[in-house]
Amino acid sequence: AQSVTQLDSQVPVFEEAPVELRCNYSSSVSVYLFWYVQYPNQGLQLLLKYLSGSTLVESINGFEAEFNKSQTSFHLRKPSVHISDTAEYFCAVSLTGRYSTLTFGKGTMLLVSP
Amino acid sequence: GAVVSQHPSRVICKSGTSVKIECRSLDFQATTMFWYRQFPKQSLMLMATSNEGSKATYEQGVEKDKFLINHASLTLSTLTVTSAHPEDSSFYICSATARGAYAQYFGPGTRLLVL
Repeated sequence: AQSVTQLDSQVPVFEEAPVELRCNYSSSVSVYLFWYVQYPNQGLQLLLKYLSGSTLVESINGFEAEFNKSQTSFHLRKPSVHISDTAEYFCAVSLTGRYSTLTFGKGTMLLVSP
Repeated sequence: GAVVSQHPSRVICKSGTSVKIECRSLDFQATTMFWYRQFPKQSLMLMATSNEGSKATYEQGVEKDKFLINHASLTLSTLTVTSAHPEDSSFYICSATARGAYAQYFGPGTRLLVL
């Protein structure tokens, strides 16, 4: 079975500062990795995903995540955050090959203040 | 692309009544749909997985007679909460994926409040 650990339940940061949201996973087989963002009272939006190839993946709004197999991590980073980035961020994994269900971390609340 | 809608977005009902929530994939054929439940400030808990035309597969601890799932077409799945009670109040979110796809696309969620 897979598991996902997001150690930080909340990350407060000032606007325009850099941020890193940590995600570690555990699995005995290869996995796909995802980051989802949830704004208040809304569903989840796919932010970015790693399936194969380049270990650095980027989203259209400035976020990036790097897959590190040796450290079993998929941390999410942004060099300069905006107030509008305030949201809950979920890291998730699924088995590779045949599509499988998602296993989510507990989420990290990113709080951006002026 | 990959838009998933849910209806209603919010529903309030009396204890003992049944509530139906619809999940639709608007621009793709959803071979598999998932239903999640999310409690305040917590992660998503998978309730069940449904493939079009097949019976849903429920996660351990989820009552299939209470949470009826129907996936009658490639664009529509419904979740019916039967004889709802206050403890069923929650945020219900569906997601969908197409054949060959690797990511799930989520609906906006339905807030259920049972009085």
